[in-house]
Amino acid sequence: DTGVSQNPRHKITKRGQNVTFRCDPISEHNRLYWYRQTLGQGPEFLTYFQNEAQLEKSRLLSDRFSAERPKGSFSTLEIQRTEQGDSAMYLCASSLSLGGGQETQYFGPGTRLLVL
Amino acid sequence: SQQGEEDPQALSIQEGENATMNCSYKTSINNLQWYRQNSGRGLVHLILIRSNEREKHSGRLRVTLDTSKKSSSLLITASRAADTASYFCATALSGGGADGLTFGKGTHLIIQP
Repeated sequence: DTGVSQNPRHKITKRGQNVTFRCDPISEHNRLYWYRQTLGQGPEFLTYFQNEAQLEKSRLLSDRFSAERPKGSFSTLEIQRTEQGDSAMYLCASSLSLGGGQETQYFGPGTRLLVL
Repeated sequence: SQQGEEDPQALSIQEGENATMNCSYKTSINNLQWYRQNSGRGLVHLILIRSNEREKHSGRLRVTLDTSKKSSSLLITASRAADTASYFCATALSGGGADGLTFGKGTHLIIQP
């Protein structure tokens, strides 16, 4: 399967712990996005990368959240000092941007986080 | 915040019937996309319609876009049980800035056999 993959698929942690998620995009895609989805809601944009550069962050991305894409390939999303309100599905998507803003984003299966 | 709002929030129809879902949005867009999400699976891209297009077809799907009313509709013809899912519209904003998509809350579609 050459789609977007995310690991782990599920994560249960205690409040105050740090967690890290990984996303492997489709190999030739230069853009990578992170979204968060809570129950009954649509995904909400968190941040995105063009190659290794982080170009945009939503105000939803508090300073406890950090994302990296060190070599322009896979990306990690770390949440420090987790809170119960961080419980959600974290989705990664990738796209091939050729300019014009008309590209399709392909989503991974997500990582479901539960903070106890 | 969610830009798009889907209507209805939930829809239940018999297999074989057509399903229509609507989406309204607030600001100028570059394009509008529809996605499907099944329980246990990720979001699957269905169709993208550009701001200068009015209608687009893909198999049993028909999407319309009315930028003057800031609204879009998704029609699924001859529905099947496998179409049971949540459907989201997502907009890519015009004018640069964040290229992340802005999703609505979704329409939960149930196809009854």
